[in-house]
Amino acid sequence: AQSVAQPEDQVNVAEGNPLTVKCTYSVSGNPYLFWYVQYPNRGLQFLLKYITGDNLVKGSYGFEAEFNKSQTSFHLKKPSALVSDSALYFCAVRDAGANNLFFGTGTRLTVIP
Amino acid sequence: EAQVTQNPRYLITVTGKKLTVTCSQNMNHEYMSWYRQDPGLGLRQIYYSMNVEVTDKGDVPEGYKVSRKEKRNFPLILESPSPNQTSLYFCASSFSIGEKLFFGSGTQLSVL
Repeated sequence: AQSVAQPEDQVNVAEGNPLTVKCTYSVSGNPYLFWYVQYPNRGLQFLLKYITGDNLVKGSYGFEAEFNKSQTSFHLKKPSALVSDSALYFCAVRDAGANNLFFGTGTRLTVIP
Repeated sequence: EAQVTQNPRYLITVTGKKLTVTCSQNMNHEYMSWYRQDPGLGLRQIYYSMNVEVTDKGDVPEGYKVSRKEKRNFPLILESPSPNQTSLYFCASSFSIGEKLFFGSGTQLSVL
């Protein structure tokens, strides 16, 4: 069975500081990992994905994520947070061979001016 | 413009009154899916479709039906809505299961 955990419901960070939104996963095979962002009153938007290759994945809006197989983690990072990054962030995982995508419960990021 | 269109945006109904939420995509995507979003529970998959006439249950299919008669459309049907189906619903599509999902703007459903 596949599952994903986002251990923090809320992350606050000052503008200009680096940010990290945590995600850990559990799959039986090789994982497909995704990050999505949801702005108020909007649908989710794709940020980045990892399937194979380089463990550091770069995505939209200056975000990146690091795949760590030994820790089964896929944390989202950004070197310098913007107020406009304030949103709800979802990690998602798919087990290779499975036909569905499993989402975490979401982490609300607030960037303080 | 490439997009996933859901209608209606907001819907208030009463218990037991059948309703349909429509979803249409203009990107020729094969994969389509319905999710519901509830506070503290994140997104949970209701049904998905790998292609025309191919649908399968997600994690929370009870009380819902879907159909995929055409590639672009994937309606969500609630035959007899109940208050526990009050939620924010999202339709999504992608070229294939491993590709990024494009989401609609959501349908806020309230069942009284």
